[in-house]
Amino acid sequence: GIQVEQSPPDLILQEGANSTLRCNFSDSVNNLQWFHQNPWGQLINLFYIPSGTKQNGRLSATTVATERYSLLYISSSQTTDSGVYFCAGGTSGSRLTFGEGTQLTVNP
Amino acid sequence: EAGVAQSPRYKIIEKRQSVAFWCNPISGHATLYWYQQILGQGPKLLIQFQNNGVVDDSQLPKDRFSAERLKGVDSTLKIQPAKLEDSAVYLCASSPLNQQFFGPGTRLTVL
Repeated sequence: GIQVEQSPPDLILQEGANSTLRCNFSDSVNNLQWFHQNPWGQLINLFYIPSGTKQNGRLSATTVATERYSLLYISSSQTTDSGVYFCAGGTSGSRLTFGEGTQLTVNP
Repeated sequence: EAGVAQSPRYKIIEKRQSVAFWCNPISGHATLYWYQQILGQGPKLLIQFQNNGVVDDSQLPKDRFSAERLKGVDSTLKIQPAKLEDSAVYLCASSPLNQQFFGPGTRLTVL
């Protein structure tokens, strides 16, 4: 099955800083999603982004499908951005495979 | 729009007991998923339903886990008998097509 590698595993920022999270896939995917799991355990879907670039407020994501990676950008980070960020990928109709996540801590 | 509902939120049982979890997906979402998330790991798919048919249950431990989605709406996941290694958060998600939306999860502790 598809292997998903996320980096970095842990990231500590000061409020207001920018960051980039990366997700690499062992094989081609055409279903790629980014999630944020808040400290209470709720998983929030941030992006469905099998290719190209999308932006939602301070967050944006870019997927380069031909090179099997995706990036999540967080600008002007806030303490509420803390939590675990997961990427997940698969092919249409097949299961999503999740990475191990990036643990983000934003300090005031 | 109401989100995915799950109950109970927490459950503590002893090993070899049985337990059931319930999920009500977002209205109109044809696809429903059950995931297991062990502490420190990403969610792992247990079973995927399309309406009331099973699409993928290849990672479901069928000797102890069962799931059903009657009438293509809500779903139940059952574990019988439970083992210590079943301690995890059980997440339900639904999707209209590809993008998945998760419920709050049920935290199961097996003693």
